[in-house]
Amino acid sequence: EPEVTQTPSHQVTQMGQEVILRCVPISNHLYFYWYRQILGQKVEFLVSFYNNEISEKSEIFDDQFSVERPDGSNFTLKIRSTKLEDSAMYFCASSQPGGANVLTFGAGSRLTVL
Amino acid sequence: QQQVKQSPQSLIVQKGGISIINCAYENTAFDYFPWYQQFPGKGPALLIAIRPDVSEKKEGRFTISFNKSAKQFSLHIMDSQPGDSATYFCAASSSGGSYIPTFGRGTSLIVHP
Repeated sequence: EPEVTQTPSHQVTQMGQEVILRCVPISNHLYFYWYRQILGQKVEFLVSFYNNEISEKSEIFDDQFSVERPDGSNFTLKIRSTKLEDSAMYFCASSQPGGANVLTFGAGSRLTVL
Repeated sequence: QQQVKQSPQSLIVQKGGISIINCAYENTAFDYFPWYQQFPGKGPALLIAIRPDVSEKKEGRFTISFNKSAKQFSLHIMDSQPGDSATYFCAASSSGGSYIPTFGRGTSLIVHP
């Protein structure tokens, strides 16, 4: 069964450092997403990406965040200067919309900012 | 307006019992209500979903009950099994809007043998 692959599974970084989280979406999906989940809290939408551009973003997705699809297969989330409150599980998802938007999620990347 | 409120935060049931997780939403434009199941170390995976044109949908031991007037929906797991132990997320989205699901906080279910 096709799956969304995320790397790394866990990253520990110092506050102020740049972090890149990587995702390989399902090959025939066209929409890509990043969500995050702070421990014990809800899954929050960050950004969606379609046709090589951001289609929608939340208030959380400020200037320190960026996404790109550098090579047609990978989908990355960059956090330019990490803060303590960026510590969370980051989920990548992809979908092939058509009536019902069923997202397929990766296993997540746990980011710990010290 | 975009919130989806989920309860309880955690739930412990005995094997064979019924697990019930509730969600409430505010945005009347929502018209697709999926439930996702997440096992440790895995991402959430679609379990079952419902549209507001029906009040109930059943797939095996899993049933969604939907109350449009109350803007509430719930997941019932009949004959709960230890293998059902996972985190369950309700979500809601609008086909007339951005399609992007809004998730609830999640419910950690433990089914004791």
